[in-house]
Amino acid sequence: AQSVTQPDIHITVSEGASLELRCNYSYGATPYLFWYVQSPGQGLQLLLKYFSGDTLVQGIKGFEAEFKRSQSSFNLRKPSVHWSDAAEYFCAVGLNTGGFKTIFGAGTRLFVKA
Amino acid sequence: GAVVSQHPSWVICKSGTSVKIECRSLDFQATTMFWYRQFPKQSLMLMATSNEGSKATYEQGVEKDKFLINHASLTLSTLTVTSAHPEDSSFYICSALGLAQETQYFGPGTRLLVL
Repeated sequence: AQSVTQPDIHITVSEGASLELRCNYSYGATPYLFWYVQSPGQGLQLLLKYFSGDTLVQGIKGFEAEFKRSQSSFNLRKPSVHWSDAAEYFCAVGLNTGGFKTIFGAGTRLFVKA
Repeated sequence: GAVVSQHPSWVICKSGTSVKIECRSLDFQATTMFWYRQFPKQSLMLMATSNEGSKATYEQGVEKDKFLINHASLTLSTLTVTSAHPEDSSFYICSALGLAQETQYFGPGTRLLVL
């Protein structure tokens, strides 16, 4: 069965430090891959997505993610974290098999300390 | 572009009443919309997939008579929580599938509190 794993429930980084959020998926083919961010009490905002082509994708707010087929991973990175980046981050897999469906990971809560 | 709105943003109601939540795609037409429920500190749980002009497809364990979904136009889907009870209190989020049918765009969510 398809699944998305975000192994870190929460991560704390210092402001200005680099960030990497991990995501692994289980699917027979290359799926559509997404990262979303959710601030408290808000909906989800799309950070970036990968469908095909260059495996390093750039997103909004200075985020990037790299698709590694051999590891079934799609980790999110940011070179320098800002306090405003504190939020919940969701990795997701989009499947188009007779109807579109998205499977979300459990989420990683990012805390940023001054 | 690709903005999705929800109304209301929050609602408090008495047990036994029905509540309607609207989801609109503001600048694009969405043949497919999704309704999710999110419990505190948890991920999104897909409730149903709504297709314009046809009946919604509900996920296993979701009562279709409890959560009525109507997708009457290419820009509007509604979720009605019928005879709401305190256990229906939650954060409800809708999303719309973009024109390329590959990316979901999410609304800001509706917080429902049933007293």
